[in-house]
Amino acid sequence: DVKVTQSSRYLVKRTGEKVFLECVQDMDHENMFWYRQDPGLGLRLIYFSYDVKMKEKGDIPEGYSVSREKKERFSLILESASTNQTSMYLCASSFRVEQFFGPGTRLTVL
Amino acid sequence: ILNVEQSPQSLHVQEGDSTNFTCSFPSSNFYALHWYRWETAKSPEALFVMTLNGDEKKKGRISATLNTKEGYSYLYIKGSQPEDSATYLCACKTSYDKVIFGPGTSLSVIP
Repeated sequence: DVKVTQSSRYLVKRTGEKVFLECVQDMDHENMFWYRQDPGLGLRLIYFSYDVKMKEKGDIPEGYSVSREKKERFSLILESASTNQTSMYLCASSFRVEQFFGPGTRLTVL
Repeated sequence: ILNVEQSPQSLHVQEGDSTNFTCSFPSSNFYALHWYRWETAKSPEALFVMTLNGDEKKKGRISATLNTKEGYSYLYIKGSQPEDSATYLCACKTSYDKVIFGPGTSLSVIP
């Protein structure tokens, strides 16, 4: 059974903290993605990766960085969290067309 | 900038009613259209992937059609049930390998 897991379902952090969101997939997929979802907006792509140690900026990369040291793991990093980064964060992986999503992390920055 | 739009934004229907909603997308450089169902506290789950103009897909009481020339897709739910309550997302994949999601349609089925 296809599985994408995210390290936390809910997270509360303070402004200025460094935040790590972890995503792991067990399908040996090469492609992995980080999105954020906000009310009234679609899923917006932050970063994606086509292979280990490769990363590409999505539509809204500002304030974020990523790390892909192993094929199964794709980490999203908020270097200095800000209140406008309060959101639902979704990780996904894909082989070709269909994307498989994790359950999401709801991050609140106070 | 490519935009994918969905309407309506939200929908409340009675159990047993049939319903449909729309996804519109840019028809240029089209590659594929995805529909996902996203239930509260769960991961978005793929319903359909469609690539050809005129494609129709069906899964149980849910079906979808695709018109790539005019840039729209319809999702139909026949005889809505409370378990159909979810946000339905569509996403357009372009030939440049970019995937753009719509804002979703939130469906509530009232028992």
